[in-house]
Amino acid sequence: EVQLLESGGGLVQPGGSLRLSCAASGFTFNNYAMSWVRQAPGKGLEWVSGISGSGSTTNYADSVKGRFTISRDNSKSTLYLQMNSLRADDTAIYYCAKVSVAGVYRSPFDYWGQGTLVTVSS
Amino acid sequence: QSALTQPASVSGSPGQPITISCTGTSSDVGGYNYVSWYQQHPGKAPKLMIYDVSNRPSGVSNRFSGSKSGNTASLTISGLQAEDEADYYCSSYTSTSTLVFGGGTKLTVL
Repeated sequence: EVQLLESGGGLVQPGGSLRLSCAASGFTFNNYAMSWVRQAPGKGLEWVSGISGSGSTTNYADSVKGRFTISRDNSKSTLYLQMNSLRADDTAIYYCAKVSVAGVYRSPFDYWGQGTLVTVSS
Repeated sequence: QSALTQPASVSGSPGQPITISCTGTSSDVGGYNYVSWYQQHPGKAPKLMIYDVSNRPSGVSNRFSGSKSGNTASLTISGLQAEDEADYYCSSYTSTSTLVFGGGTKLTVL
């Protein structure tokens, strides 16, 4: 059974940093691209960043480029999101999501975690 | 990376069909057949309902169907049921190798 378990969320002050983790199980982690998607309270979904199965290719939304870094440790089946220079509008539930087709970066997300809440406030 | 445009809300009675539109540009919806639709119930993670414009994942009811014309994709739900009441989001791959979501549509079953 595929499971994605996010952790690392919490309350952080504006300008601060936080690192999110997503522990994956139930599939061959290094075969699948992964993404982070966020949802501000009462708002819609926003794609944040994606990474290929090998980790060699990464992409970011303009809203986080230069501030967030996505990475993965395939030996630990874990996805990360390092978030720096956090702003109030980064407040959201952050989901990790797995693509459905091995080796295909642009394939849709078939599994999502339950999310971790990040609150940026003084 | 502007969000795709969806109606904020749609509604319908049980048994009726509804359609949700998703409008983008030639750099996303119009340029690729990589449009997906997700259903999200309150407090839950999104669920994939349609991928690659018109394909249904295993286990998704055949009451859900997708299509695309030009820069606009559409999700149709035939024979509305109470459990279909949820938020629906479209997404598309883009020319910059990123992903963009629509603003979401709240479906109310009357």
